[in-house]
Amino acid sequence: AQSVAQPEDQVNVAEGNPLTVKCTYSVSGNPYLFWYVQYPNRGLQFLLKYITGDNLVKGSYGFEAEFNKSQTSFHLKKPSALVSDSALYFCAVRENTGFQKLVFGTGTRLLVSP
Amino acid sequence: DGGITQSPKYLFRKEGQNVTLSCEQNLNHDAMYWYRQDPGQGLRLIYYSQIVNDFQKGDIAEGYSVSREKKESFPLTVTSAQKNPTAFYLCASRPTRLNTEAFFGQGTRLTVV
Repeated sequence: AQSVAQPEDQVNVAEGNPLTVKCTYSVSGNPYLFWYVQYPNRGLQFLLKYITGDNLVKGSYGFEAEFNKSQTSFHLKKPSALVSDSALYFCAVRENTGFQKLVFGTGTRLLVSP
Repeated sequence: DGGITQSPKYLFRKEGQNVTLSCEQNLNHDAMYWYRQDPGQGLRLIYYSQIVNDFQKGDIAEGYSVSREKKESFPLTVTSAQKNPTAFYLCASRPTRLNTEAFFGQGTRLTVV
């Protein structure tokens, strides 16, 4: 069964600094990987995905993620953080066979200080 | 205006009562999901459905039931057998093409009083 780990409950970064939110996964076969963002009392918004191809994936709002197969990681990054990036971030993985159950990590709260 | 609509946004239930959460989508998506969100536990899968009249249990299906009589609708019933139903419930849908992401509704916050 597939699983996702987000080892940090919270990440703190100053505005203008680069940010990284970590994600590792476990799945049999090739993974489909996703990042979502959630603002308070709202649903999840899609940021980016890795399906195949380039290991560096670019997404919405200046975010990008790097797929590393050997380390089974898919870390979310942004070169320069904004206060408005403060939110809850979820990594998710889906198998590429069968029904493709979508499994989420526990989430990482990003706090960007002015 | 396409999307996923969850209703109501807030729901209060007395202990021992069943309650049904609505999820409707007009995106023509085949697959639909229900997740439960609790602080510090992320999103846990309750039920999912790939096609009409078919659905599978997720990781925490006990105390919940669903139906998929129409492609657009995937209601979730929280039964009295669910011992700790207070949570934020999220519905999602996606096309069944392999490389597609899921789209989420705005959620329903259920509180047992």
